[in-house]
Amino acid sequence: AQSVTQLDSHVSVSEGTPVLLRCNYSSSYSPSLFWYVQHPNKGLQLLLKYTSAATLVKGINGFEAEFKKSETSFHLTKPSAHMSDAAEYFCVVTPFNDYKLSFGAGTTVTVRA
Amino acid sequence: GAVVSQHPSRVICKSGTSVKIECRSLDFQATTMFWYRQFPKQSLMLMATSNEGSKATYEQGVEKDKFLINHASLTLSTLTVTSAHPEDSSFYICSARLDSNYGYTFGSGTRLTVV
Repeated sequence: AQSVTQLDSHVSVSEGTPVLLRCNYSSSYSPSLFWYVQHPNKGLQLLLKYTSAATLVKGINGFEAEFKKSETSFHLTKPSAHMSDAAEYFCVVTPFNDYKLSFGAGTTVTVRA
Repeated sequence: GAVVSQHPSRVICKSGTSVKIECRSLDFQATTMFWYRQFPKQSLMLMATSNEGSKATYEQGVEKDKFLINHASLTLSTLTVTSAHPEDSSFYICSARLDSNYGYTFGSGTRLTVV
């Protein structure tokens, strides 16, 4: 079975400063990992995904994440936060050869002017 | 890019009535659709997986007679909440699997309020 733990329920940053959202996973098999963003009352938008290729994954809007198997982590970072980054972020895992997604509890990001 | 159109975006219904939510894949064929439920400030919980032309597979604890899923064509999947009650009020989101490279696209969600 696979599961995802997002270590921070809420992250608050100042505009222009770095953002770090932490995610740890457990999976019986080689996982695929994703980060999604959700703005209020909206669907989910894919930021990036890891599917056993390069461990450093670059996504949209300046986000990137690094897959660290030894630490079972897939933390999401952005060097400089923008006001539009305020949203809910979900770390998601699916094991190899299984298409069911398991979602983390989510991290709410607020950006201060 | 691949788009799933979900309607309605918001619906308010009276307790005891049924509500249908539609998800249409606009420019691709969705063999597999997933239906999720999201409570306020919480994560998405998978309710069921539907494959075109076959019965949906429900997750443990999800009442299949209350949440009827139909996936009769490659471009349309529907979720019907039957005999809705206030506790069914939630945000419902559909998702389609795009390809074997773990691509997924999500609908914009439906806010259901049962009064």
